[in-house]
Amino acid sequence: AQTVTQSQPEMSVQEAETVTLSCTYDTSESNYYLFWYKQPPSRQMILVIRQEAYKQQNATENRFSVNFQKAAKSFSLKISDSQLGDTAMYFCAFIPYSGAGSYQLTFGKGTKLSVIP
Amino acid sequence: ETGVTQTPRHLVMGMTNKKSLKCEQHLGHNAMYWYKQSAKKPLELMFVYSLEERVENNSVPSRFSPECPNSSHLFLHLHTLQPEDSALYLCASSQDRAGVGDEQFFGPGTRLTVL
Repeated sequence: AQTVTQSQPEMSVQEAETVTLSCTYDTSESNYYLFWYKQPPSRQMILVIRQEAYKQQNATENRFSVNFQKAAKSFSLKISDSQLGDTAMYFCAFIPYSGAGSYQLTFGKGTKLSVIP
Repeated sequence: ETGVTQTPRHLVMGMTNKKSLKCEQHLGHNAMYWYKQSAKKPLELMFVYSLEERVENNSVPSRFSPECPNSSHLFLHLHTLQPEDSALYLCASSQDRAGVGDEQFFGPGTRLTVL
């Protein structure tokens, strides 16, 4: 069974600074997808970024980038130039590629990020 | 309305009540999901429907009963719930499976309190 671990329940960062959220996972699969989702207070969860395991290049989306270390089974999220709107719960999620049960994301418990003015 | 909508947004019910949660997606997606979100726990997938057929059912108690009458609507019928069922219930949809990299689009959730 796959597991996803987010070891930082809460973090804070000053506005305009950079912060990194950690995520590790455990799997015996060789190809899979990893996702970071963001859930702002009282608002809908949205996708921040996704990474396919067989792609070596780290995914980036504007101020959001990942550091994907396949051998270490690590998938951290870096937020640059933090903004007040980045305050949210961040969830890391994993799914094996297209096999049985390929609708079922495995989520971590989340990291609550607060951006301080 | 755009995206994924859920009604009601808040629900308080007694243990003997019967109620239903409704989800509607306006994205033309093929798959719809029910999740349970409890504090300090990972999101728990409850049910998945693909093209109106249930494809996942994660050992959810029978007091939760899903219904998917068409690809745009998903219901969760609730009956004789327990206080530990109090949580945020999230609906989501996707064009295809997350296992091919598809993004799931989430609704705002229904905050359920069971007294």
